[in-house]
Parts: sequence; C-alpha cells; structure tokens
Amino acid sequence: AQKITQTQPGMFVQEKEAVTLDCTYDTSDPSYGLFWYKQPSSGEMIFLIYQGSYDQQNATEGRYSLNFQKARKSANLVISASQLGDSAMYFCAMRLAYSGAGSYQLTFGKGTKLSVIP
Amino acid sequence: ETGVTQTPRHLVMGMTNKKSLKCEQHLGHNAMYWYKQSAKKPLELMFVYSLEERVENNSVPSRFSPECPNSSHLFLHLHTLQPEDSALYLCASSQDRGLGTEAFFGQGTRLTVV
Repeated sequence: AQKITQTQPGMFVQEKEAVTLDCTYDTSDPSYGLFWYKQPSSGEMIFLIYQGSYDQQNATEGRYSLNFQKARKSANLVISASQLGDSAMYFCAMRLAYSGAGSYQLTFGKGTKLSVIP
Repeated sequence: ETGVTQTPRHLVMGMTNKKSLKCEQHLGHNAMYWYKQSAKKPLELMFVYSLEERVENNSVPSRFSPECPNSSHLFLHLHTLQPEDSALYLCASSQDRGLGTEAFFGQGTRLTVV
C-alpha cells in the first residue's frame, strides 16, 4: 500500500525567504504521480504542483518548485520569496497508475502548517 | 464562482438526526469524490463516483450513504452519526483518472455531531 509522510507538523519562515516542506513516499509501483496542495483556513484544497515519476526534470510553477529525488523517494516542495498569503496547511499526495478503481485515489500526508512571519 | 461548490458550509446535528451534504461541480468533470478530514489525520477517501463505477472505502460506516444522480451533483446522506464523525467533509472532482489529473476541491462542510 502507498504511504505519504510529512515529518514537519509546523514550519515558520520569514517573509521573502525561501522554505522547503518535506515529503517522502513509499510505493513499490514504478508509475505514480505526486501532488502538492495548499489548504488555507477557508478549507478549500488548492492544487499547486505535480510531478510524474517518469518526469526527467523537477516541476516548477511560479514560486513553487518540487525537489524530486526518486532514489530517496522524496518530493519536497520549495516555496521561494514567501508571502504572508502563503500561510496555510500544505499537503503532499500521491496517485498510483492502477488500471482499476484504485487509480482514482489520492493518498495524502498529514500536512505541514506553514506560518509566514512579517 | 468556485468550480466545486459545497453546501452547507457548517452543520451541527444531533446523533438522531438525518441530514445531507450537497456538492456541485461546474467543471464538466467525470469523477466526484467525498473525503473526510479529521484533526491530525490524513485526508481519507470515502467514496468515488465516475462514469463507469462507484468505488467506496470499505472502512466507511453505513451511516454515511452517497448519492450521485448525475455527473455534476453528489450528495452525502448522514444518519445516526456519532461524535467521532465530526470533521471537515470535502468534495472533489477530476476530469478523469489519468496519472497527472489534479482533483479540484470545494471549501468543505464543517460537521459537528452533538
């Protein structure tokens, strides 16, 4: 069974600094996708970035980049130039390339609460 | 307007009540989901509906009953809930089950069972 581990319950970062949120995953399946979501206090989960297991380059989306180290099974999120609006919960998630119903499932980690300090 | 809309946003219900959560997606997606988010726990997938099939997590108690009348609407019927069912219930949708297909979430219903 797949598993996502986020070891940082909470993180603080100074405004305009960069921060790395850790995520490790466990699967024996060679084909999978990794996602990061942001959840502000309003509750909605907002998609940030995606990395496929066969992608050769690390994914980037604006201020977000994913540090993908396949051998170590890690997919850390890097947020550059932090802003006050980045304060939120951040979740790492994984989907496997099943052919059956299980391919719908996103498995989430417990999340990291990021607080940006002015 | 958000792509996935959930109502109500907040719900307080007694253990003997019957209530329903509603979700509507305006994205033309083919799959819809119910997730449960409890404090200090990972999001837990409860049910999936797609064009082809319904999939459920076998650990979900029968006091939760989903209904998907069409591809745009999803309900979660609640009856005789327990206090431990208090949580944020999130609805999501996705275009398909492609590996890189992101799920779009609603803002959730904060449920409190008293």
